[in-house]
Amino acid sequence: GENVEQHPSTLSVQEGDSAVIKCTYSDSASNYFPWYKQELGKGPQLIIDIRSNVGEKKDQRIAVTLNKTAKHFSLHITETQPEDSAVYFCAANGAGSYQLTFGKGTKLSVIP
Amino acid sequence: DTGVSQDPRHKITKRGQNVTFRCDPISEHNRLYWYRQTLGQGPEFLTYFQNEAQLEKSRLLSDRFSAERPKGSFSTLEIQRTEQGDSAMYLCASSPRGTNEKLFFGSGTQLSVL
Repeated sequence: GENVEQHPSTLSVQEGDSAVIKCTYSDSASNYFPWYKQELGKGPQLIIDIRSNVGEKKDQRIAVTLNKTAKHFSLHITETQPEDSAVYFCAANGAGSYQLTFGKGTKLSVIP
Repeated sequence: DTGVSQDPRHKITKRGQNVTFRCDPISEHNRLYWYRQTLGQGPEFLTYFQNEAQLEKSRLLSDRFSAERPKGSFSTLEIQRTEQGDSAMYLCASSPRGTNEKLFFGSGTQLSVL
């Protein structure tokens, strides 16, 4: 089955700086890669996603890049704000399945 | 609020007891998923439904776990003879027609087995 590795596990940045979180996946047939943000006491919230036919996608301060050859994808957050502090999860779908396999998460802390 | 609703938010039970959780998906969504999340980990897939049909189950879902989605609306997840290892956050998610991978999660049910 699919295996998703995510790093770093924790990340601290100064407000206004950029943050980058990286993930690798194992199943070359995976074609959907979402990113979720989870705040304390809440369920994960979809913030951006990308499909395998696209190399990059941007939504305001958030962008995701995908390298299918290397089987890795990254989340980029620019101009970070304190409200960006949360745990971020990457995920990938498995071939022929609707289930998502999640990474272990990155706890992002934005220091004012 | 028209998001995914889960009940209860917290459940404390003694080992060996049965527990049942409920999930109400977003009304127009036809797919419903159950995931389990332990501390410091990402969510792990348990099972999903398309309308009332249960189409996929994880090997994580032992015989003590059963899920139903009668009439393709709300869903229940029952755990029989709970064990301490069942302690986790149980998350429900739903997805709309045509974009089945876009999951919208509820806030979860936190289960503690004493």
